[in-house]
Amino acid sequence: KNEVEQSPQNLTAQEGEFITINCSYSVGISALHWLQQHPGGGIVSLFMLSSGKKKHGRLIATINIQEKHSSLHITASHPRDSAVYICAVIPNNDMRFGAGTRLTVKP
Amino acid sequence: NAGVTQTPKFQVLKTGQSMTLQCAQDMNHEYMSWYRQDPGMGLRLIHYSVGAGITDQGEVPNGYNVSRSTTEDFPLRLLSAAPSQTSVYFCATRRTSGSEQFFGPGTRLTVL
Repeated sequence: KNEVEQSPQNLTAQEGEFITINCSYSVGISALHWLQQHPGGGIVSLFMLSSGKKKHGRLIATINIQEKHSSLHITASHPRDSAVYICAVIPNNDMRFGAGTRLTVKP
Repeated sequence: NAGVTQTPKFQVLKTGQSMTLQCAQDMNHEYMSWYRQDPGMGLRLIHYSVGAGITDQGEVPNGYNVSRSTTEDFPLRLLSAAPSQTSVYFCATRRTSGSEQFFGPGTRLTVL
């Protein structure tokens, strides 16, 4: 079983919808990251969390350390949000990744 | 600042050939890592380094070598390429163990 599980694997939404992507992990961590990979292939860091909640624009990330669960929310989704969203955790010095959630937002 | 750079962007090799994927950073980050990304499997750690002169194996190190003689550079060597090494390779850096990670643009490698 993968140490980092994401759901759903694929998600299609209409523009304006509220999006939630979930991440569960099975190892002790020092931090959890949410990453975005656009169709061109580049990967950028959206959030790094060790507790609570963070907000950046229309994106909100939450983490529950006791339940080993994190969520990424996108409010008022837009076609430019279409990308693969990846959850990653840092147990020690390395980083372990979920398989990603492919989000498609239709106009 | 260039951030994290990788060369080449694309490479085609024949089975048995050797090559080096280059990764350089100008952010003075201690941590550098190499990952491979395969369809449906997510990113997997190949090797990482927590500072110059220090390297360690990740999840899938077989067939790859690394060295870290300077803070800036972290090359990944394929000694004898195999078709199973066809993948997209990403280099990444971060300042400390728990800080934000910065990714290079990736190298798409095909081994025939």
